[in-house]
Amino acid sequence: ELKVEQNPLFLSMQEGKNYTIYCNYSTTSDRLYWYRQDPGKSLESLFVLLSNGAVKQEGRLMASLDTKARLSTLHITAAVHDLSATYFCAVDPRAQKLVFGQGTRLTINP
Amino acid sequence: GAVVSQHPSRVICKSGTSVKIECRSLDFQATTMFWYRQFPKKSLMLMATSNEGSKATYEQGVEKDKFLINHASLTLSTLTVTSAHPEDSSFYICSASRPDNTGELFFGEGSRLTVL
Repeated sequence: ELKVEQNPLFLSMQEGKNYTIYCNYSTTSDRLYWYRQDPGKSLESLFVLLSNGAVKQEGRLMASLDTKARLSTLHITAAVHDLSATYFCAVDPRAQKLVFGQGTRLTINP
Repeated sequence: GAVVSQHPSRVICKSGTSVKIECRSLDFQATTMFWYRQFPKKSLMLMATSNEGSKATYEQGVEKDKFLINHASLTLSTLTVTSAHPEDSSFYICSASRPDNTGELFFGEGSRLTVL
């Protein structure tokens, strides 16, 4: 059974700081997703990582994928309050049937 | 703008009644859609795969007679929660992907069901 684990599950940080969220998964997959969810809302797609070594950046967020280590990271640079949300990684082992991590609840304090 | 739309966004019903939630792909045809369930402050769990023109495929532990899925057209899948019970209260989210091989999945806005 595929397991997807995120670390940390809760993160409180100050504006301007950098931090990384980690996503480990237990079986082979070449496709990994990162999503953002605001309270009471659905998922917003952030990144789709399709191959080993893939790195994508959008604004203050950068995601990478190491399929050999079964690890993806979501790096936040110079955090701002607007980035406060819950972030999920998800792995796609069976044709778009995603298995999600537990989510990382990120709070950025002014 | 949204490419996958759900309706209703919120619904409150009494125990024992049935509730239908619609999921539409707005600018593409989706032969496959997915239904997820999310409990408060928890992650998403795949419930079932909705297949256009054929029976849905349910994940282990999901009652197919309770959660009826119909994929009547290439742009519409419906989830009907039958004989609703307070334990069915949850946030239900559908997803679909464009047939463009980008790998990107789009999620609907979600439907929050409260069963009294």
